[in-house]
Amino acid sequence: DAGVIQSPRHEVTEMGQEVTLRCKPISGHDYLFWYRQTMMRGLELLIYFNNNVPIDDSGMPEDRFSAKMPNASFSTLKIQPSEPRDSAVYFCASSTRTSGRTDTQYFGPGTRLTVL
Amino acid sequence: AQTVTQSQPEMSVQEAETVTLSCTYDTSESDYYLFWYKQPPSRQMILVIRQEAYKQQNATENRFSVNFQKAAKSFSLKISDSQLGDAAMYFCAPKNNNDMRFGAGTRLTVKP
Repeated sequence: DAGVIQSPRHEVTEMGQEVTLRCKPISGHDYLFWYRQTMMRGLELLIYFNNNVPIDDSGMPEDRFSAKMPNASFSTLKIQPSEPRDSAVYFCASSTRTSGRTDTQYFGPGTRLTVL
Repeated sequence: AQTVTQSQPEMSVQEAETVTLSCTYDTSESDYYLFWYKQPPSRQMILVIRQEAYKQQNATENRFSVNFQKAAKSFSLKISDSQLGDAAMYFCAPKNNNDMRFGAGTRLTVKP
């Protein structure tokens, strides 16, 4: 399996611009997670989906952030408009259920976002 | 919500020696998973080892093993025969259903 795929790997943009991060989960996984990693706050869960439906978006920092999962093999995280404090590494992870419980989350390589 | 404490911001080990990274957490749940992830300079989050809380036997993966003390809510990682490639940030992460929390991490340096 190719693992979780994220694109782009690096993104540099200017304040006020729209940014779209993309994720392809592991085939067959029905849970998808978006995390953000910063020096100040560490790793934080932003939102997760089950069977393409957003289940918990309580970690989304504000209305400038939105996430979609139009099908089982693709998800986007959009920031509009972007601000310098959004600079971070954004990870996508996916998992599935074993023995009736959600199991290990496998992470993508991350997207390093820099907002100037 | 779970809180996770990794009390060692940095650790150092000589190549071929053994090192133990500590982790304590707080949870009111009885059934959950615990993970250690490794993050090398490439920043990829790599699963190191996984433990199910209902299992009394400590998990082992080659040179990596855990000491899971459920009553004490402690989940330490032991790395035996340390190798240069083990140098990375290590994150402890207890998970209840889809709520996975990460510690602040321990930076491990391996000296040749």
